[in-house]
Amino acid sequence: KAGVTQTPRYLIKTRGQQVTLSCSPISGHRSVSWYQQTPGQGLQFLFEYFSETQRNKGNFPGRFSGRQFSNSRSEMNVSTLELGDSALYLCASFTGSANTEAFFGQGTRLTVV
Amino acid sequence: SQQGEEDPQALSIQEGENATMNCSYKTSINNLQWYRQNSGRGLVHLILIRSNEREKHSGRLRVTLDTSKKSSSLLITASRAADTASYFCATDNAQGAQKLVFGQGTRLTINP
Repeated sequence: KAGVTQTPRYLIKTRGQQVTLSCSPISGHRSVSWYQQTPGQGLQFLFEYFSETQRNKGNFPGRFSGRQFSNSRSEMNVSTLELGDSALYLCASFTGSANTEAFFGQGTRLTVV
Repeated sequence: SQQGEEDPQALSIQEGENATMNCSYKTSINNLQWYRQNSGRGLVHLILIRSNEREKHSGRLRVTLDTSKKSSSLLITASRAADTASYFCATDNAQGAQKLVFGQGTRLTINP
């Protein structure tokens, strides 16, 4: 069974640009969550999608957005990049049922210069 | 914001020794999960313990949960160099693992 796949693994962008990250969940998982990890703030929840609908949202500015497709694949977009957006972005896949685990991808390392 | 604290922030032990990491959280939970992260990479799921469970084992891992104290511990027995990583606890509420709240993590170093 394939795991959670995130692409690309590494990205370097310039301030002001926008970026799109992709996440393919485990087959059969309908929920995809996104997290930002930085040395200062640790792992923080960005948002979660289930059946193409955003169900939960963390405390991030509107520059951070996402969507989910009918095949459960999800994309995350960050517009008008700032230096502080440099981070490891992790995607988690979850069946949607209570008391089950969330499985993470390898992450996308975004560097904003 | 982070749900809780992990203690210690860093731990260095000799190979073969046991390593214990603690996690405290602030609000009521449904489940608590432990993850391992090797340097700058993704999170690997280790174990999930439900709020109505007190102890769970998986191979060399033993997790305890004390909901009255809002705390959990992860014990790794007979540590190996390959166990060197950061360990995080994550809690979820009744909605499930769709939104996890993580601790700050414990950086574990196993010295050969």
